[in-house]
Amino acid sequence: EAEVAQSPRYKITEKSQAVAFWCDPISGHATLYWYRQILGQGPELLVQFQDESVVDDSQLPKDRFSAERLKGVDSTLKIQPAELGDSAMYLCASSRLVHEQFFGPGTRLTVL
Amino acid sequence: GQQLNQSPQSMFIQEGEDVSMNCTSSSIFNTWLWYKQDPGEGPVLLIALYKAGELTSNGRLTAQFGITRKDSFLNISASIPSDVGIYFCAGQNNYGQNFVFGPGTRLSVLP
Repeated sequence: EAEVAQSPRYKITEKSQAVAFWCDPISGHATLYWYRQILGQGPELLVQFQDESVVDDSQLPKDRFSAERLKGVDSTLKIQPAELGDSAMYLCASSRLVHEQFFGPGTRLTVL
Repeated sequence: GQQLNQSPQSMFIQEGEDVSMNCTSSSIFNTWLWYKQDPGEGPVLLIALYKAGELTSNGRLTAQFGITRKDSFLNISASIPSDVGIYFCAGQNNYGQNFVFGPGTRLSVLP
């Protein structure tokens, strides 16, 4: 069964450093989402792509976060510089139909 | 912004018991999704609901799309230890718009 791939699974960094996360959606899924999930809470959308275009990045802290999906397939989410409050699980999801989403395993970020 | 509430926040049940949990909103939604998340993993889609009043089953799981379109319910029958995890609901109010997630219901199953 096709799955959303994410790497790395775990990342520990010091504050003020740069970090990057990678996501490869299920083949054929045009829509890709990045979520942040703080421990004990539900996922919160950071950015949504339709193919290579950003559809919604209203909740993305653009002073330090950036996301790209240059060829409309895989995507990278970057944080620079990382802050202590960025420690969370970063989840990628993809969908072929806009009323279903399939999540990857996530990247657990710890900022020291 | 839109918010979803989930009840109960957490629950402890005996293996073999049935479980009920719900998700409510002050806004109308056109799609409801139910996910299960294990520790350190991404959420796994359990059931998708697209029509008010719809009742859908997936094995021992049954979910319903509330008639008011402001709520949804998930039932698990004959719980087993692997049902342990956090159950999230997610709602979408218009086709193509983002999903809003609830805070989750943490389920513990005692042997």
